[in-house]
Parts: sequence; C-alpha cells; structure tokens
Amino acid sequence: DQQVKQNSPSLSVQEGRISILNCDYTNSMFDYFLWYKKYPAEGPTFLISISSIKDKNEDGRFTVFLNKSAKHLSLHIVPSQPGDSAVYFCASPSAGNMLTFGGGTRLMVKP
Amino acid sequence: DVKVTQSSRYLVKRTGEKVFLECVQDMDHENMFWYRQDPGLGLRLIYFSYDVKMKEKGDIPEGYSVSREKKERFSLILESASTNQTSMYLCASSSPGSRSNEQFFGPGTRLTVL
Repeated sequence: DQQVKQNSPSLSVQEGRISILNCDYTNSMFDYFLWYKKYPAEGPTFLISISSIKDKNEDGRFTVFLNKSAKHLSLHIVPSQPGDSAVYFCASPSAGNMLTFGGGTRLMVKP
Repeated sequence: DVKVTQSSRYLVKRTGEKVFLECVQDMDHENMFWYRQDPGLGLRLIYFSYDVKMKEKGDIPEGYSVSREKKERFSLILESASTNQTSMYLCASSSPGSRSNEQFFGPGTRLTVL
C-alpha cells in the first residue's frame, strides 16, 4: 500500500520568490510521482511528474526533486506568480491502476 | 486532447432526494473514478470502475452507488442525499497502459444538499 502526505496545508509566498511544496511517501515500490494543480471550482490538472530513475525533472518554472532515500519529493516554482495560487496535490501510483493523493497544499502568491 | 465532462457544474438538492451525477470521457479509457474533495481532506475515492458493468468500492462508498453501462459513461448516484454529502465531486479517467496511472479529471460538480 502507498501513503502520500503533504504536511503543509497552506503556503504563502511573495510574487517573484520561490515556492517549495513538499510531499512524503511510504512505499518505494511505486516508482512514479505526479503533481496536480487545482483551481477553485475546477478539476485537478496534471502539472509535472518524475520517475524514480531521476532525481530531478524540470518544466519551465516548475521543477520536481525526488529524494528516494528520504522518501520525499518537492515541487519548486520559480519565480512564483499570482496565477500559481491554487491547491497542489502530489500523487503516486498504487495497486490496481489507482493513484494515491496527498491532502493538498494551498499556495497563495501575493502580488 | 483528453476530455472528461460532468453533467452539472453546480447542483442544489434537498435532503432525501435521489441525485445523479454523470461523467463522460471521450478517450476510450477503461478506468473511471469518482472522488469527493473537501477542505483539509484532499481527494477521497468513492468508487471506481475498470470496465463496463464493473465497479469497486473506494475509501468512502457509504451512501453512494455507481453505474457503468457504457465504457464512456460513469454515473454516481446518491440514493438519499444528506447534508454531509455537500461537497465537490470529481470524475476522472485513465488508461491501464499508463505507467504513471495518470488520471484526467472533469471540471467537477459542486453539490449542495439543503
């Protein structure tokens, strides 16, 4: 079984600074991690992923880092923009074509 | 482009009413899912389906049922709506061939039960 935890329910950052969202997991058997972004009144949309054969994946302003020994991943957003204000979920595949989601972190980027 | 649509964006129902939430996907995905999202609780899986006429309980199936008569359509049914079922309901689909199990979500239905 896989558990995914996001220990910070919210994060406030100034525009232009770095946002760092964290996620911990329990089962190293599952070798792929995804980040979703969700605006209010909309469904989550896929943002970025990382495979366990890598320790970093970058896509524009978004970079995900994976620390397998610590069973920890983080999403960095640089520079943060007000439009990045949303809830971010990390997720990991689990048994039977499922995804296990963390509880989410609400990011607020202040102008 | 993957498209998952949900029948209503906003719905207001009364306690005891039977409620149908419809979800349709156009990517020929075998897997479909229903979640609810509540503040501080993340995404909780209600039911999922791997194929037509197949269904499996998720983490919180009580008070809900589902129907999958066609591959592209997955319906969530609240037999007798209660106020604690006020929530954002999200439908998702995925292909079993995906290594990442990436799911594609619909826009959500905000249900209020009075």
